[in-house]
Amino acid sequence: EELLLESGGDLVQPGGSLRLSCAASGFTFSSYAMSWVRQAPGKGLEWVSGISGSGDSTYYAGSVKGRLTISRDNSKNTLFLQMNSLRAEDTAVYYCAKSAGGTNLPIDYWGQGTLVTVSS
Amino acid sequence: DIVMTQSPDSLAVSLGERATINCKSSQSVLYSSNNKNYLAWYQQKPGQPPKLLIYWASTRESGVPDRFSGSGSGTDFTLTISSLQAGDVALYYCQQYYTTPKTFGQGTKLEIK
Repeated sequence: EELLLESGGDLVQPGGSLRLSCAASGFTFSSYAMSWVRQAPGKGLEWVSGISGSGDSTYYAGSVKGRLTISRDNSKNTLFLQMNSLRAEDTAVYYCAKSAGGTNLPIDYWGQGTLVTVSS
Repeated sequence: DIVMTQSPDSLAVSLGERATINCKSSQSVLYSSNNKNYLAWYQQKPGQPPKLLIYWASTRESGVPDRFSGSGSGTDFTLTISSLQAGDVALYYCQQYYTTPKTFGQGTKLEIK
């Protein structure tokens, strides 16, 4: 059974940094593209970033480009999101999400999410 | 970026009746080389992550009841629930995966009338 377990969410001050992790199990991690999708409190879904199965290709939403960095460690079946220069508008639940295959396929499984709060 | 616009923002339907949610993209998400529409529908219940319902605009994900169906092509798409059940109360989102950023619609809240 597929499982995605996010961790690392916390309360952080504006301008601060945070690193989210997503531990994957139940599937061949390196064969699947992965994404981070966020949801601000009471708001809709926002795709933030994606990465190919090999990790060679990465993609970002314009709102986070240059501040957030996606990466993966296929030897440890773990996805990461390094978050720098955080702003209040980055406050959200961050979901780790698995693609149905490559980067041009839909998300077919989501983790439960981890909450990031940016506030002084 | 491709802008996805859903209508309506909220919808109240009686149990057993049909519910229809529309999604329009600012540019076509039909890839001509394979004639596939890169459009998915997700259901999100309170306190839960989203769940994939439909992909390629009309292909039902495994385990999804057949009362859920998707249609449309190019820029205009529809999610239809043929006979609403109480457990279908949720937020519904469309998403294009044709290109990055893989944008979502703003969501449609489905309630029981």
